[in-house]
Amino acid sequence: AQTVTQSQPEMSVQEAETVTLSCTYDTSENNYYLFWYKQPPSRQMILVIRQEAYKQQNATENRFSVNFQKAAKSFSLKISDSQLGDTAMYFCAFIENFGGSNYKLTFGKGTLLTVNP
Amino acid sequence: DAGITQSPRHKVTETGTPVTLRCHQTENHRYMYWYRQDPGHGLRLIHYSYGVKDTDKGEVSDGYSVSRSKTEDFLLTLESATSSQTSVYFCAISDREGSGTNEKLFFGSGTQLSVL
Repeated sequence: AQTVTQSQPEMSVQEAETVTLSCTYDTSENNYYLFWYKQPPSRQMILVIRQEAYKQQNATENRFSVNFQKAAKSFSLKISDSQLGDTAMYFCAFIENFGGSNYKLTFGKGTLLTVNP
Repeated sequence: DAGITQSPRHKVTETGTPVTLRCHQTENHRYMYWYRQDPGHGLRLIHYSYGVKDTDKGEVSDGYSVSRSKTEDFLLTLESATSSQTSVYFCAISDREGSGTNEKLFFGSGTQLSVL
């Protein structure tokens, strides 16, 4: 079974500083996608960043970047220059099995990030 | 933003009553999903659909059924609601097509369901 583990239930960071959220996953597949989603208090699920497993280069989106370590099955999210609007629950998610109908996204339990002024 | 709408946004019901949540998309995407979100559990998959009338169970499917009679609508039914089904329910759709080179999920705004 697919599993995604976020070992940090809560984290905090000072505004303008950098923070890293960790995520590990388990799979026997070689081809898959990894995602980080952000859920602010509005409850909306917002895609932050996406990584294809076949790409060695780490994905980046403005202040957000990932450290993808395929052999270690690790997928951490780095937020640089943290802003108050980054305060949210962050979910790591994983999807595999492109060839069949069993195509499911599995989520971690989330990390609540608070950015302090 | 992807055209995905959940209804209702909020619902309060009593134990033992049937409840149906609706997810409607205007994107013509093949894959649709129902998740529930609970504190300490993240999002857990209830059921998903990979085409009209093609559905399968997720990890927390007991007490839920789904139907997809047309591409744009995916219904989640609680036949007899229980207090343990109090949760926030999210629908998601996937734009996966063919080679899967553009994997992305879009989420609805969620339905807060309270079973008293």
